[in-house]
Amino acid sequence: EAGVVQSPRYKIIEKKQPVAFWCNPISGHNTLYWYRQNLGQGPELLIRYENEEAVDDSQLPKDRFSAERLKGVDSTLKIQPAELGDSAVYLCASSPYNTEAFFGQGTRLTVV
Amino acid sequence: GIQVEQSPPDLILQEGANSTLRCNFSDSVNNLQWFHQNPWGQLINLFYIPSGTKQNGRLSATTVATERYSLLYISSSQTTDSGVYFCAVKLMDSNYQLIWGAGTKLIIKP
Repeated sequence: EAGVVQSPRYKIIEKKQPVAFWCNPISGHNTLYWYRQNLGQGPELLIRYENEEAVDDSQLPKDRFSAERLKGVDSTLKIQPAELGDSAVYLCASSPYNTEAFFGQGTRLTVV
Repeated sequence: GIQVEQSPPDLILQEGANSTLRCNFSDSVNNLQWFHQNPWGQLINLFYIPSGTKQNGRLSATTVATERYSLLYISSSQTTDSGVYFCAVKLMDSNYQLIWGAGTKLIIKP
């Protein structure tokens, strides 16, 4: 069974440019999470979806970040415009009914 | 809010040694996971263990929910065990957010 798939693996952009990350969760997992991880720290939740509904987006910086999960499967996380402080690893995870979470390989974003 | 504390913060061992990593949490939980983040950044599920004991090869974990701690045992360490080990918990009455410890950085020397 395929795991959580994320793309791209790496992205380098100039500040003020837009960027998007894509996530395909494990088949059948209705809960999808986006996390951000800074170097030397644990992951920080940005948003959690139950099917297509965003049920927890309290830590998503809504002025520049947006996310969608059309049809309750794949999800996209967007940053527009990117700032230097957005450099981090963006992780997608999925779980069946918000139980055990499984993570993708992450997208390492560098903003220059 | 709930505190999740992992110890030790850093651990350097020779290949073949055994180790015990600890995770203490300050409130009742209904979900506890151990992860290994390898040097390439991949978070790998080790155990989903809200209570009890589980074993998987050289690794085993025990969670004593009533005393609010969990232990991860690594036996006969290999260099591929190097990385950061995270403990993450969910509170019983929370909004289902995983609360993460700061991790234990493990280095296994050949």
